[in-house]
Amino acid sequence: SQQGEEDPQALSIQEGENATMNCSYKTSINNLQWYRQNSGRGLVHLILIRSNEREKHSGRLRVTLDTSKKSSSLLITASRAADTASYFCATDPNNNDMRFGAGTRLTVKP
Amino acid sequence: DTEVTQTPKHLVMGMTNKKSLKCEQHMGHRAMYWYKQKAKKPPELMFVYSYEKLSINESVPSRFSPECPNSSLLNLHLHALQPEDSALYLCASSRFAGGADGELFFGEGSRLTVL
Repeated sequence: SQQGEEDPQALSIQEGENATMNCSYKTSINNLQWYRQNSGRGLVHLILIRSNEREKHSGRLRVTLDTSKKSSSLLITASRAADTASYFCATDPNNNDMRFGAGTRLTVKP
Repeated sequence: DTEVTQTPKHLVMGMTNKKSLKCEQHMGHRAMYWYKQKAKKPPELMFVYSYEKLSINESVPSRFSPECPNSSLLNLHLHALQPEDSALYLCASSRFAGGADGELFFGEGSRLTVL
């Protein structure tokens, strides 16, 4: 079973705009991770935020975590056409597995 | 470039065939995973191996049979599959099972079509 939900399911923006994706989860976590997947390819790890952290940055990525609301957001700033992909959050609800949210399909138009 | 290698990249099989998907990593990771992904859906966890022992089986039908011959290799044996089993099968590895110790590394997947 999947761990949580993400919204929006699909997001279409212009190059240069910011993209925000949200993730909600159901159980306690050690950390929350975000992954990116280009169509039909494997997933690539983007960023990990631990349960005792509230915000983390990596290049154009900013992730926030609110454990009281069991939610996280991923912000991609100054988006590029190459950012077009599906983005998934993932958590380890049973401490020995990794389960993915429903994902957001991001389209960045040049 | 991914450090997890999956073969074959594409596989077409009939419902009576027996085939295998293979996954290999040389990062010294002690956990390996199989996921199934249908189009426009998230990866669904199938199996987790930790220290070469099966630690999670997500009630996967017995027509899927995982095998971990050693810490670097993970196989998924396929037999008597159904057309609805057509999907992208993703292998992943991590230092240890679960997310506490860091990220999963994914292979590029094996695209399976069952006729």
